[in-house]
Amino acid sequence: GAVVSQHPSWVICKSGTSVKIECRSLDFQATTMFWYRQFPKQSLMLMATSNEGSKATYEQGVEKDKFLINHASLTLSTLTVTSAHPEDSSFYICSAPFPGTGNTIYFGEGSWLTVV
Amino acid sequence: SQKIEQNSEALNIQEGKTATLTCNYTNYSPAYLQWYRQDPGRGPVFLLLIRENEKEKRKERLKVTFDTTLKQSLFHITASQPADSATYLCAFRSGSARQLTFGSGTQLTVLP
Repeated sequence: GAVVSQHPSWVICKSGTSVKIECRSLDFQATTMFWYRQFPKQSLMLMATSNEGSKATYEQGVEKDKFLINHASLTLSTLTVTSAHPEDSSFYICSAPFPGTGNTIYFGEGSWLTVV
Repeated sequence: SQKIEQNSEALNIQEGKTATLTCNYTNYSPAYLQWYRQDPGRGPVFLLLIRENEKEKRKERLKVTFDTTLKQSLFHITASQPADSATYLCAFRSGSARQLTFGSGTQLTVLP
């Protein structure tokens, strides 16, 4: 079964509004989670590393003020897309390393964001 | 910088045959190389992990090899089935990093 869960699976929002996506580790603690973005027919691109209890680490070119990440507990990281624009429409996926599995990284089901 | 490439964008094979997907990397060998399956509109599903010091890993009909001399990993699906049709992604991690860097993926279609 799934070990990482995302919510919502899909969301439609108006331009200029903010939308929050949640990523939960199920039955394990994740001090680190990763947020990826994927455009159609392209591979996953790492956006940021979410660290429990501290600031997220963003990849080059990713606006930290636009993509707010909060990792307030050992099982929950959130990604908030602020002042969304149509070009932010994408598939957002989170992942977390599962302890005791040789550093295997598991992914959530993904969240489709459409900004209209 | 390190690059990871999956040679084929798409691969079509006949049901029952063995599918072989290739993943090449440049520069240094990753500590871990992982293979995932991704269906349209879904998150990647973990299949196999192989470490730098391992040459081969198997799981049911799946086999992964890791050749640090060739800087290449091969992913095999034996006795392929139409249900194996999906995009397969390879991804690597260096020893200190915890995040994955992905290849572009190979879309496999198994024809009945």
